[in-house]
Amino acid sequence: NAGVMQNPRHLVRRRGQEARLRCSPMKGHSHVYWYRQLPEEGLKFMVYLQKENIIDESGMPKERFSAEFPKEGPSILRIQQVVRGDSAAYFCASSPRLAGDNEQYFGPGTRLTVT
Amino acid sequence: RKEVEQDPGPFNVPEGATVAFNCTYSNSASQSFFWYRQDCRKEPKLLMSVYSSGNEDGRFTAQLNRASQYISLLIRDSKLSDSATYLCVVNPMDSNYQLIWGAGTKLIIKP
Repeated sequence: NAGVMQNPRHLVRRRGQEARLRCSPMKGHSHVYWYRQLPEEGLKFMVYLQKENIIDESGMPKERFSAEFPKEGPSILRIQQVVRGDSAAYFCASSPRLAGDNEQYFGPGTRLTVT
Repeated sequence: RKEVEQDPGPFNVPEGATVAFNCTYSNSASQSFFWYRQDCRKEPKLLMSVYSSGNEDGRFTAQLNRASQYISLLIRDSKLSDSATYLCVVNPMDSNYQLIWGAGTKLIIKP
């Protein structure tokens, strides 16, 4: 049973380009969470999705960021017109149901570098 | 004041020593607490939950002090492989999934 998969693992974008980060949850998991980790900081919740629904996006910046989790395929975190401040590690986690506490399983992360 | 605060370290500790670090939280209504371990450039992994009565898992002991609003992690007989960043995580009672993460304490075990 494969764990949470994220790709790409490393992504370099120039300012103004778009970044697309993908997350495939563990088999049987229908809940996906995205986090951002800036250097030397803890993880910050961004968005919680279920299949075809955004449940809570209170941690997402209002502009340039969007997320989806279609019926088929991975969850995608999209960042338009990237800026240097978007450089961070983006982690995805999944759970089989609404996660209580330690039921979120993390992917290896995507490290975004904006040049 | 940050919701979850940790000493960033690094804590430089000789192999075999005992090391402890604390984490303070601001929301007195917080219900559950965890320690995660994060290796350099890797994803965080759950180390242990922290129960009110305290709990132990091998060389690791976690304690909760609700009155002073802090949790602690004690590592005995430290190994080189314990070198990592230890993240304190708090679950406020009004959310099942919006965990509040500390910035982590970096631990370096030296031979």
